[in-house]
Amino acid sequence: DAGVIQSPRHEVTEMGQEVTLRCKPISGHDYLFWYRQTMMRGLELLIYFNNNVPIDDSGMPEDRFSAKMPNASFSTLKIQPSEPRDSAVYFCASRGQGASGELFFGEGSRLTVL
Amino acid sequence: GENVEQHPSTLSVQEGDSAVIKCTYSDSASNYFPWYKQELGKRPQLIIDIRSNVGEKKDQRIAVTLNKTAKHFSLHITETQPEDSAVYFCAASWLYGGSARQLTFGSGTQLTVLP
Repeated sequence: DAGVIQSPRHEVTEMGQEVTLRCKPISGHDYLFWYRQTMMRGLELLIYFNNNVPIDDSGMPEDRFSAKMPNASFSTLKIQPSEPRDSAVYFCASRGQGASGELFFGEGSRLTVL
Repeated sequence: GENVEQHPSTLSVQEGDSAVIKCTYSDSASNYFPWYKQELGKRPQLIIDIRSNVGEKKDQRIAVTLNKTAKHFSLHITETQPEDSAVYFCAASWLYGGSARQLTFGSGTQLTVLP
């Protein structure tokens, strides 16, 4: 398996624009997580899904953020409108249903909002 | 919810010396404690984990200890090498069979191994 695949790897946009980040989890994994990483706040969980159903979105900063998982192999995180304080690295991670708790992270999407 | 605190935030050691990173957690229901290593510009990757039914686990130069009573767990790296330089994150979660709560991460420790 190619691992968790995220796109784009880098995104530079202007304040007010819509940003869509994409994630393809490892095939067969039932859990998908979206994390945001900044120097100030570290790794923050934004939302996670189990079997495509959102389980906990309490980490989503505000209504500007939304996430979907229309099927087992694809998820999106959307920011509309984007603001400079949204600049961060966004990681998607997945894990399987088995006893191992290991999270497999994608390479991340580095977002810069000017 | 779970709260994980990690210390120190930065740690510099001489090559060959040992490094210790400590974490505390708040939720007594947590039973799974992984450690992730993140090299500069890369993704976090699991290096070792421990379950609450075990007090210590070792894998070559890396060991993790857990004190459930005090809600402390620590990462020990012996004979450090320059390639150990990275940010290390502790985390805590509840894990049972195929079910899990989300991982809560500590704030990270930047380890620098000086040659």
